[in-house]
Parts: sequence; structure tokens; C-alpha cells
Amino acid sequence: SQELEQSPQSLIVQEGKNLTINCTSSKTLYGLYWYKQKYGEGLIFLMMLQKGGEEKSHEKITAKLDEKKQQSSLHITASQPSHAGIYLCGADTHGTASKLTFGTGTRLQVTL
Amino acid sequence: GAGVSQSPSNKVTEKGKDVELRCDPISGHTALYWYRQSLGQGLEFLIYFQGNSAPDKSGLPSDRFSAERTGGSVSTLTIQRTQQEDSAVYLCASSLSLFTGNTEAFFGQGTRLTVV
Repeated sequence: SQELEQSPQSLIVQEGKNLTINCTSSKTLYGLYWYKQKYGEGLIFLMMLQKGGEEKSHEKITAKLDEKKQQSSLHITASQPSHAGIYLCGADTHGTASKLTFGTGTRLQVTL
Repeated sequence: GAGVSQSPSNKVTEKGKDVELRCDPISGHTALYWYRQSLGQGLEFLIYFQGNSAPDKSGLPSDRFSAERTGGSVSTLTIQRTQQEDSAVYLCASSLSLFTGNTEAFFGQGTRLTVV
């Protein structure tokens, strides 16, 4: 099984709706990184979580790391077309951030 | 520049040829990473540098792959005798340091390598 599993694999939501993407690790997470990927733009760093129970927000995107530090969720409120893209979670399971393991991504489409 | 810069952005090469991919990290970032993203797959870690040294080369897929970093800045990923399975987007990232709390890694736009 995958060390890091992301769900769902793809998501289509209507503009204005909320959505959640999950990232589950089979190992303890020393750091959990969320990125967004758009074609031709590389990976855009969204936020990083390190402490169990930590929650960070940026504009309409909120990410949480659960207390046991093995699962993170990314929540988008009132989605917009600009939120469309592929969301990737990257996990530091070694404690040094030297080798992140990435999920396979969640492809988000936002319809009008 | 302000971000991680990779060149070329696209590279088409014939099977068996050698290619060099370049990464210019953000100025002052001591840590540099190379990843590969193949079609339909997630990101695969290749190698990282702390300064000019690469302590862990276990992610390199074969001995045809090598990477170096000079002056704690620019890094080059070299693929010798390219094969069709090497076709992928090669992403470079850099971060301030591996061993502080500020380890956000910023990615370049990638080099799309196509081996024909």
C-alpha cells in the first residue's frame, strides 16, 4: 500500500461550494506540506503543518493536522474557478524534511 | 530571480543521448531537491543537496542518473543514455535549510523531458 494516500483522486464542485481533500500517512508525520499544481506553473507552496492539532488558514483555504499526526485535511470554503488545479500533499516522515513523500494528488475542477 | 528557475522548460531528446537539466535555487537556500513526476504518477524523490553535498542518493533510479551542485547554488541533473521511461517532468525545489523549522520548499516550474 502507498505510504501516503490522498483522497479523493478527483473532485468536481460547483462554484461557491465547500470541499475537503484528505491526506493519510501510514507513518508519523514530522511535517505535512500542501502544494497546488497548475500546468506550466510548477508547484505552488500553500502551507506547512508540523504540530499535532495545528491548523493554518490562507484566504479561503484551511489545512489541519490531526492530533496523532498521521492525517491532514485541506478545506476550501466557497470554491472559485481559481481554485482549480491539482492539490498535492507532501509528507516528511523522517524528521529532516530531506525527502518528502508525495501523494498522487487530487484534481479539482470548479464549475460555474 | 525571486523563485526557483529551471532550464530548459522543455527538452526533446533521442533515445541514447545524454541530457543535462539545470536548477537555479532561490538565493540563500542551502537545501535543494530534485523530484520526478511521470505521467499519471505522483512525485518521486530523486536526490537532495545540503550545501554541495548529497548524503542520500538512493532515490536516483539508475546509475545513468547523476547530480551535482556547485558553490552551494546551481545544480545539474544529468541523465546519460536516455531511455523512453525517463520521459517525465523533472522538478527542482529549494528551501532555506533542512534542519530548522522553516523548511518550506519552493518548486520550480519543471523541465518536461521527452525521450523519442
